[in-house]
Amino acid sequence: KNQVEQSPQSLIILEGKNCTLQCNYTVSPFSNLRWYKQDTGRGPVSLTIMTFSENTKSNGRYTATLDADTKQSSLHITASQLSDSASYICVVSVEGSSASKIIFGSGTRLSIRP
Amino acid sequence: NAGVTQTPKFRVLKTGQSMTLLCAQDMNHEYMYWYRQDPGMGLRLIHYSVGEGTTAKGEVPDGYNVSRLKKQNFLLGLESAAPSQTSVYFCASSFGQGAAFRPYEQYFGPGTRLTVT
Repeated sequence: KNQVEQSPQSLIILEGKNCTLQCNYTVSPFSNLRWYKQDTGRGPVSLTIMTFSENTKSNGRYTATLDADTKQSSLHITASQLSDSASYICVVSVEGSSASKIIFGSGTRLSIRP
Repeated sequence: NAGVTQTPKFRVLKTGQSMTLLCAQDMNHEYMYWYRQDPGMGLRLIHYSVGEGTTAKGEVPDGYNVSRLKKQNFLLGLESAAPSQTSVYFCASSFGQGAAFRPYEQYFGPGTRLTVT
């Protein structure tokens, strides 16, 4: 069964600190992996998209890594800011299938404390 | 360029009532999607469309109907609302499904919070 699992479910860190969010997936065949940021009361907004040939991708203070062999991805946030408080969602797509095969993780809720 | 917009933002229905959620996009995208988001769960696909005049079922289609009469609009209908349909509904759009080497971005609307009592 195609699944995407994220950990931790929630995380609280102090402003200025770094953190890493994890995503494990059992999707096959793999097409691409995305990380989204979802602010409270808003829709998800894309941070990165990675194909199987990419193992690192950065977007400002956000760096995503992908290990297609172990089927794991991480999202590293550097020098956190209060505006980083949000849910972070890992999404994996199945290759060669219909538009319905986009599997969403349940997200990690990150809170940044001043 | 407004991106993806959804109306209404909030709605409270009584069990058995009907309503239609409207999604509009101004990016000339072919693909449009309706998702629901419930606490502790990932977004789940209700229905989607790969072009004007087409619709297809997603993971949780029961109790919902959709229509895509115009390329820029995707409507989600609840014919007889049930408390189990209390959720936050998101619309999304993309140019296409893409391929492994060239995935297309999905753009999401701000969501509609629906409560069925």
